[in-house]
Amino acid sequence: KAGVTQTPRYLIKTRGQQVTLSCSPISGHRSVSWYQQTPGQGLQFLFEYFSETQRNKGNFPGRFSGRQFSNSRSEMNVSTLELGDSALYLCASSLPGQGAYEQYFGPGTRLTVT
Amino acid sequence: LAKTTQPISMDSYEGQEVNITCSHNNIATNDYITWYQQFPSQGPRFIIQGYKTKVTNEVASLFIPADRKSSTLSLPRVSLSDTAVYYCLVGANTGFQKLVFGTGTRLLVSP
Repeated sequence: KAGVTQTPRYLIKTRGQQVTLSCSPISGHRSVSWYQQTPGQGLQFLFEYFSETQRNKGNFPGRFSGRQFSNSRSEMNVSTLELGDSALYLCASSLPGQGAYEQYFGPGTRLTVT
Repeated sequence: LAKTTQPISMDSYEGQEVNITCSHNNIATNDYITWYQQFPSQGPRFIIQGYKTKVTNEVASLFIPADRKSSTLSLPRVSLSDTAVYYCLVGANTGFQKLVFGTGTRLLVSP
């Protein structure tokens, strides 16, 4: 079974631009979560989607948004990029009932904002 | 969510057994203990999860004492490829999938 895939793997953007990242969960997984990882703040939870609905949200500004499609694929968008948004963005999926703490992560998208 | 404390770093040599201990004094009755492994520039990988006593899989063992205020991840006969950051997480298996990662333990395995 294919793992979680994320596209693109690397991205360079300029301050003020916006960016959209994509995540395809493992087949059959309906929950998708997004995380941001930086050297300074570590791994931080952004939001989680299940059945196209956002169920949980981390402490990030409104510039960070996401959505989930009927096929469970998810996208996250960051508008008006700031230098501090440079990070590894990780997507994770899991089966409902599998256990909230058993998630499968993708390889991440490395975003660099210049 | 229960707060966890783990060593910042550990060093080992190939072939040795490595034990990483995590303290979680405020663990709740419904909380599970889960460990993840992360290599540089990759997403974390689920290693093992347990509630009490001992759990073993093909990768590691997890030892949890009766009071559940701590847990120990045991990696048998480590190799260079086990060099990674190991995270201990504690929380209930609810419908929400929010993981709270601490700083983790950076394990360096040398030849």
